[in-house]
Amino acid sequence: GAVVSQHPSWVICKSGTSVKIECRSLDFQATTMFWYRQFPKQSLMLMATSNEGSKATYEQGVEKDKFLINHASLTLSTLTVTSAHPEDSSFYICSATQGVDTEAFFGQGTRLTVV
Amino acid sequence: GQQVMQIPQYQHVQEGEDFTTYCNSSTTLSNIQWYKQRPGGHPVFLIQLVKSGEVKKQKRLTFQFGEAKKNSSLHITATQTTDVGTYFCAGFSSGNTGKLIFGQGTTLQVKP
Repeated sequence: GAVVSQHPSWVICKSGTSVKIECRSLDFQATTMFWYRQFPKQSLMLMATSNEGSKATYEQGVEKDKFLINHASLTLSTLTVTSAHPEDSSFYICSATQGVDTEAFFGQGTRLTVV
Repeated sequence: GQQVMQIPQYQHVQEGEDFTTYCNSSTTLSNIQWYKQRPGGHPVFLIQLVKSGEVKKQKRLTFQFGEAKKNSSLHITATQTTDVGTYFCAGFSSGNTGKLIFGQGTTLQVKP
């Protein structure tokens, strides 16, 4: 299957700092990328849907000014957690699809710990 | 908004027993997808069902899509320890194209 690379796989940062997470589709062009957040032993909560060249669509309750998403090209989307706080600590996973209603390929995930 | 419900949340079985997880959507789905996430890993695509009433098999795994395209099931026959993990269903809503929503997942534990 297609490969999606997510970086970094883990990061520890201080409260108040910003963290950028990258999601790259390595061998295909991703028309849509999704960003999810997963708490321990829970499901994937969709944060936002990102289409190349347009603004991301955020889910209800997700602060767009806090979780900045940029989808500058068909192979790269970034999620920036701004002014991180301990409650932002979580597992963030991106996925990418090649078209509507198609299989989603997931990145390895990023475990963010804010201290 | 669209909701995808999945039951049970957890299932412990003895190796060799069968296992089933059920998925229900609040809205009609254009298709249903199933993923498996191993502990510490990321979700991996298993299969996609598109047609009403569709049944697909992958070795010991049987996937069904309901006639109304609002529910689905995954059945594993004679579980093995390698089946351990969390199984998620996910759907793109017919009226909400482009948004992939996941069920809560069913975590399967298999005792050898």
